[in-house]
Amino acid sequence: GAVVSQHPSWVICKSGTSVKIECRSLDFQATTMFWYRQFPKQSLMLMATSNEGSKATYEQGVEKDKFLINHASLTLSTLTVTSAHPEDSSFYICRGETSGGREQFFGPGTRLTVL
Amino acid sequence: GEDVEQSLFLSVREGDSSVINCTYTDSSSTYLYWYKQEPGAGLQLLTYIFSNMDMKQDQRLTVLLNKKDKHLSLRIADTQTGDSAIYFCAESKGGKLIFGQGTELSVKP
Repeated sequence: GAVVSQHPSWVICKSGTSVKIECRSLDFQATTMFWYRQFPKQSLMLMATSNEGSKATYEQGVEKDKFLINHASLTLSTLTVTSAHPEDSSFYICRGETSGGREQFFGPGTRLTVL
Repeated sequence: GEDVEQSLFLSVREGDSSVINCTYTDSSSTYLYWYKQEPGAGLQLLTYIFSNMDMKQDQRLTVLLNKKDKHLSLRIADTQTGDSAIYFCAESKGGKLIFGQGTELSVKP
């Protein structure tokens, strides 16, 4: 099946720094990318949805200036956590979907720990 | 309440069948999904069912859908220790996936 990769797979950073997470679809064109965060032992919470070349649509309660999403191409989307704080520590997962939602694949996730 | 609800834990013995249940709220959901998540990993799509179906079988997996009661179940036959993971059901709603809390399946040898 198709593959979605995320980089880095884990990152530890100091409070106040910014962290960029990349999500790449390796062998399919992800027209839409979804970004989720998952706290331990909890479900996935949708943060934002982005279509290639358009601005992301953020879910209620998600600060767009803090979680910057760029979806510049059909194979790459990035999530930047700006001025990270310990409460941003979480597991961030992307999901790529082809046009019309025919196919969808999750990335393996990125574990962010903010000290 | 939550859009999608699941029981949090299930423990079975190796070789038994596992049944994981899920209730959802949106009767207009077109597709309903089951995902598996192993520790520290992303989600793997196991199977899905179209809303006009009652049942779907795929090797050891059987999905049952009761649309009237908005109840979805996943049965794993001959459960193996490698099936130990967290299982999420999800409904499609307005182009988005809404996930349940996840059911942690523990398989004891």
